[in-house]
Amino acid sequence: QLQLQESGPGLVKPSETLSLTCTVSGGSISSSSYYWGWIRQPPGKGLEWIGSIYYSGSTYYNPSLKSRVTISVDTSKNQFSLKLSSVTAADTAVYYCARHAPAMVHFDYWGQGTLVTVSS
Amino acid sequence: QSALTQPASVSGSPGQSITISCTGTSSDVGGYNYVSWYQQHPGKAPKLMIYDVSNRPSGVSNRFSGSKSGNTASLTISGLQAEDEADYYCSSYTSSSTIYVFGTGTKVTVL
Repeated sequence: QLQLQESGPGLVKPSETLSLTCTVSGGSISSSSYYWGWIRQPPGKGLEWIGSIYYSGSTYYNPSLKSRVTISVDTSKNQFSLKLSSVTAADTAVYYCARHAPAMVHFDYWGQGTLVTVSS
Repeated sequence: QSALTQPASVSGSPGQSITISCTGTSSDVGGYNYVSWYQQHPGKAPKLMIYDVSNRPSGVSNRFSGSKSGNTASLTISGLQAEDEADYYCSSYTSSSTIYVFGTGTKVTVL
């Protein structure tokens, strides 16, 4: 059974960079055709796709966040990571990592999510 | 690219059927058969319930069904049960630069 687990600081200061890692177990991040993505959900609000990456390193970002987002992959560790720069209070959210099905048409496996609060 | 439009809330009594709508455009819902639906209980991660408009992943109850007409997709829950009380989100692949978009979300209440 594929499992994903987010990890990283739960508190980030304004203007700094948010960094999270997703560790994949029970399967290979190098699986053909699958992408790996990040989604966030501000408290009490809806879901927002942040971006996705293929194991080869090809990345796809939500244009609304593209200027601040970097997603990378480490196949040797079966992990992928998110960096979001210049954060503000509006970036406070639960951040989920998930497997993005071929052609990025749906997310079939999700991590449990991690709350990141932006505050000084 | 704006979020897909869903009703804020839908309610029903146990045993009844309810339908949640998801309205987009010809660039997303209407243009591709890549609509999916997620169920989210409070404090939990979303769970995939329907993909490719009407397909159920293994393990999802057949009380959940999906359909699409034009730019509007629908999720129907039949034989409503207390455990179905949750938030539901639609999503779709989109030809816009956004690539993937979620709906605004619908809170389902079992009366």
